Amino acid sequence: DVVMTQTPVSLSVAIGQPASISCKSSQSLVGTSGKTYLNWLLQRPGQSPKRLIYLVSKLDSGIPDRFSGSGSETDFTLKISRVEADDLGVYYCLQGTHFPDTFGAGTKLELK
Amino acid sequence: QVTLKESGPGILQPSQTLSLTCTFSGFSLSTYGMGVGWIRQPSGKGLEWLANIWWDDDKYYNPSLKNRLTISKDTSNNQAFLKITNVDTADTATYYCARIPSFDYWGQGVMVTVSS
Repeated sequence: DVVMTQTPVSLSVAIGQPASISCKSSQSLVGTSGKTYLNWLLQRPGQSPKRLIYLVSKLDSGIPDRFSGSGSETDFTLKISRVEADDLGVYYCLQGTHFPDTFGAGTKLELK
Repeated sequence: QVTLKESGPGILQPSQTLSLTCTFSGFSLSTYGMGVGWIRQPSGKGLEWLANIWWDDDKYYNPSLKNRLTISKDTSNNQAFLKITNVDTADTATYYCARIPSFDYWGQGVMVTVSS
């Protein structure tokens, strides 16, 4: 299985400050179609996961452009330009290129 | 508007069979490329993918649980199902269904407790 390694495990950020989360895969996530099936999800406290970003860098509808995704092959990054209170929760990366789909262990974003 | 909602027994005893239902709207499992996946999350822990079912009835299972899982669908009633046999306390978790291929919509989850 593809192992998705997220760092840091937790992140304490003040409102208005930037945040960055890394996700590294144990093998390249470029599929046979040439597409890279790397998603970012946010699970707010007490809620189900919500997809924020798909195909590495495409924002889902309604997701503010404070969020951005980047990366290629095995190294990916989620950035929040200015953290807001609504951004708190656990962020997960998810790869869908290789069977089975695998998740990172999560990064907990907390307020400083 | 796409919605999914899971339902299940709440609590069951070790060695029993867990039966889960995902009732969805806003898409159809008869549409090319559509599918439903099941994912679980023990309390305070991360997400584990369990199984997928596709519009063409293709099915995929997490190899670590494959022998215990059965996924199925009822296209006419917009439902997908997951059965897990011979449960034990390690199967205690919140179970989610999500639209696939890219997990863009998730249900609210259903908590399942395995306890004697």
